Amino acid sequence: DQQVKQNSPSLSVQEGRISILNCDYTNSMFDYFLWYKKYPAEGPTFLISISSIKDKNEDGRFTVFLNKSAKHLSLHIVPSQPGDSAVYFCAASALNTGNQFYFGTGTSLTVIP
Amino acid sequence: DTAVSQTPKYLVTQMGNDKSIKCEQNLGHDTMYWYKQDSKKFLKIMFSYNNKELIINETVPNRFSPKSPDKAHLNLHINSLELGDSAVYFCASSRRSYNSPLHFGNGTRLTVT
Repeated sequence: DQQVKQNSPSLSVQEGRISILNCDYTNSMFDYFLWYKKYPAEGPTFLISISSIKDKNEDGRFTVFLNKSAKHLSLHIVPSQPGDSAVYFCAASALNTGNQFYFGTGTSLTVIP
Repeated sequence: DTAVSQTPKYLVTQMGNDKSIKCEQNLGHDTMYWYKQDSKKFLKIMFSYNNKELIINETVPNRFSPKSPDKAHLNLHINSLELGDSAVYFCASSRRSYNSPLHFGNGTRLTVT
């Protein structure tokens, strides 16, 4: 039973434009959300996180938005750069899941120069 | 400096063999994990150890046995390898907190022939 879902397996965006990656979750107890970036043959690298007490968190070109009522989060990358081309995973956890993180299946982003 | 390192990076072996994957972290984290990424790119937790104590043990065949000699190391031993064990295995670590991000190693691609 997949509790975190990324319904878009891939996304292509022109360099300089905005990339929007989406993630949905089903468990209303989740209260900590993360985005990871993964290059081929490397491990996922932590990018940005948000707790449920916020609806937005920003770090440079990366902004994560959380809509708790819709159980939806999104990652915005502005402006997109070719080096952003990677697979992006969202993940979620809750106090009652201990240290267990639930991951989506990833969205492969291609930024076209 | 590599924060989470796992060896080997690639492992090709025949069915029925026994193999081990080693993982070490120098981040001072208390909690370490093994995740499996299957052919559908889904990252699923297998085990979690906190300060050498097993805290998460998902539904994984008994052929998989984690061992944590100290809080900086978590090794994975697999007995009687099967074709379906072919996957990428990621080691990760974090502070012991559900809202502390995971730091991943670069993965071990296991191919069972």
